[in-house]
Amino acid sequence: GENVEQHPSTLSVQEGDSAVIKCTYSDSASNYFPWYKQELGKRPQLIIDIRSNVGEKKDQRIAVTLNKTAKHFSLHITETQPEDSAVYFCAVHSGGYQKVTFGTGTKLQVIP
Amino acid sequence: NAGVTQTPKFQVLKTGQSMTLQCAQDMNHNSMYWYRQDPGMGLRLIYYSASEGTTDKGEVPNGYNVSRLNKREFSLRLESAAPSQTSVYFCASSMTSQHGNEQFFGPGTRLTVL
Repeated sequence: GENVEQHPSTLSVQEGDSAVIKCTYSDSASNYFPWYKQELGKRPQLIIDIRSNVGEKKDQRIAVTLNKTAKHFSLHITETQPEDSAVYFCAVHSGGYQKVTFGTGTKLQVIP
Repeated sequence: NAGVTQTPKFQVLKTGQSMTLQCAQDMNHNSMYWYRQDPGMGLRLIYYSASEGTTDKGEVPNGYNVSRLNKREFSLRLESAAPSQTSVYFCASSMTSQHGNEQFFGPGTRLTVL
């Protein structure tokens, strides 16, 4: 089955700095790569996603990059703010909806 | 629209008891999922349903059963609860696509098995 590794497990940054979280996967047929943000006690919510035919996608301060050859993708958050503090999960979809594997999460702390 | 709803929010069971977690969505999604979330382990897929009338096992199906009652509702049953099933359970739904789509999650059920 799919193997997804997410690093780092915790990340502390000063407000205004950038944060980068990386996920690697094993199945070269994987085709959809979403990132979810989960605030304490809340449900996960999608913040950005990328499909296998695209190398980079941006949405304001958030971007995702995908390297299909190396089988890794990364979440980039610029100009971090205290409200960015949360746990972030990557996910990998292989063969469509029936194979969804999540990373183990990264707890991001933005220090004011 | 309520999105994805789950009941109950909290539940405490004794070992061996049974219970059913309920999930419903009003977004006309075909696909529905059940996950469990444990500290340090992310979200692990228990069962999913690609459409009404179909269900399939995910990564950790042992000890669970599911029913896709209709397009809106997808329930998860624990027949004989064990302490290892203490977790937070999330239901999710999405549009069906062979390429994958955003999943919308319910608020979760926090289950403790003593």
